[in-house]
Amino acid sequence: AQKVTQAQTEISVVEKEDVTLDCVYETRDTTYYLFWYKQPPSGELVFLIRRNSFDEQNEISGRYSWNFQKSTSSFNFTITASQVVDSAVYFCALRMPGAGSYQLTFGKGTKLSVIP
Amino acid sequence: DSGVTQTPKHLITATGQRVTLRCSPRSGDLSVYWYQQSLDQGLQFLIQYYNGEERAKGNILERFSAQQFPDLHSELNLSSLELGDSALYFCASSAGNNNEQFFGPGTRLTVL
Repeated sequence: AQKVTQAQTEISVVEKEDVTLDCVYETRDTTYYLFWYKQPPSGELVFLIRRNSFDEQNEISGRYSWNFQKSTSSFNFTITASQVVDSAVYFCALRMPGAGSYQLTFGKGTKLSVIP
Repeated sequence: DSGVTQTPKHLITATGQRVTLRCSPRSGDLSVYWYQQSLDQGLQFLIQYYNGEERAKGNILERFSAQQFPDLHSELNLSSLELGDSALYFCASSAGNNNEQFFGPGTRLTVL
């Protein structure tokens, strides 16, 4: 069975601080995809990144960076110099490709509050 | 704006009733997914359609059903509603099965 654990339920940081959101996943398959989504207070789910299991390169996009480590089954997300607009619930998700099974398995989410 | 549209945005109804939630995927996307977000269960996959055919089923109750029409829009039907069905229902679409899913704004269902 596949599982995603986001141990941090809520995090509060002061604006301009860096913050890392943890994601640990469980799967028996060697091929899989990992995702991060952002859910701002308005409620929509915004896609941030997709990473496949064969690509362990870290990725940086502006103030966002992702650290994928297969050895520890982790896919952590760092926001540098946080801003109030980063306040949201962030979800990590796992998907395994396979015949007819493309659903996402989500973690419980981490609520990030950035205080001005 | 993800390009996925969902209607209605809010729905308030009573126990025992039946409702239909509608989703239009992004232009060209063949896959549609339905998810339920509730406080106790989190975000859970319900069902996926690909080009009109059911492709995968998750934790979908027998009281719930869905379909995808020839124009690729999808509807999620919820019947014999219970208080516990109150949740945010998301539709997502993707170009293919191995592409990222883009989510609609959701339909907030309140069952009184």
